[in-house]
Amino acid sequence: DIQLTQSPSFLSASVGDRVTITCRASQGIGSYLAWYQQKPGKAPKLLIYAASTLQSGVPSRFSGSGSGTEFTLTVSSLQPEDFATYYCQQLRIFPFTFGGGTKVEIK
Amino acid sequence: EVQLVESGGGLVQPGGSLRLSCAASGFSFSTYFMHWVRQAPGKGLEYVSGISSNGASTNYANSVKGRFTLSRDNSKNRIYLQMGSLRPEDMAVYYCARGGEDLFDYFDYWGQGILVTVSS
Repeated sequence: DIQLTQSPSFLSASVGDRVTITCRASQGIGSYLAWYQQKPGKAPKLLIYAASTLQSGVPSRFSGSGSGTEFTLTVSSLQPEDFATYYCQQLRIFPFTFGGGTKVEIK
Repeated sequence: EVQLVESGGGLVQPGGSLRLSCAASGFSFSTYFMHWVRQAPGKGLEYVSGISSNGASTNYANSVKGRFTLSRDNSKNRIYLQMGSLRPEDMAVYYCARGGEDLFDYFDYWGQGILVTVSS
């Protein structure tokens, strides 16, 4: 199975901060990577697909980049509603594994 | 409006069986891959299984292979996850998710999740 390693696993930040989360794949996956946001007690929500394409309705402060084995999710100016856990997922090879998650909390 | 509604969860003893169902509406169900993802209490997301639009192809995580079977009924807009030989580590919230018309498409809609508890 492809392993996805997210860093950091925990991030403390303030409203207005720029934050970046990294996802590294154990082998090349091209651009077959998605990012999801999950809030407590809720289902995950798709933010980014194909590594850098913003899902419809997602604010433009979210952006994704990368290809191959290294990817990043950036929030340009963190808003109160962005405090959540973020997961990357590879969709190149079954099983479609997820990263371990990055919890973003208020400083 | 796309909707995915899971049912069939509950308490089951180790070694027991349970069948989850996911009812879909608001889209052309028979043209989409569908998937199950689970989340153990306090843990991250784990991919469980996926099925092609016509049901001819299925894939499973190694952790459930041989114990879980995924199927679909396109006439009823439903997918089913038959879970057998359940273990305590299978206890989780199980989410149904819509893939795409292509195998490698992202998951753009998710159900609210259903809890499966495995305990004696």
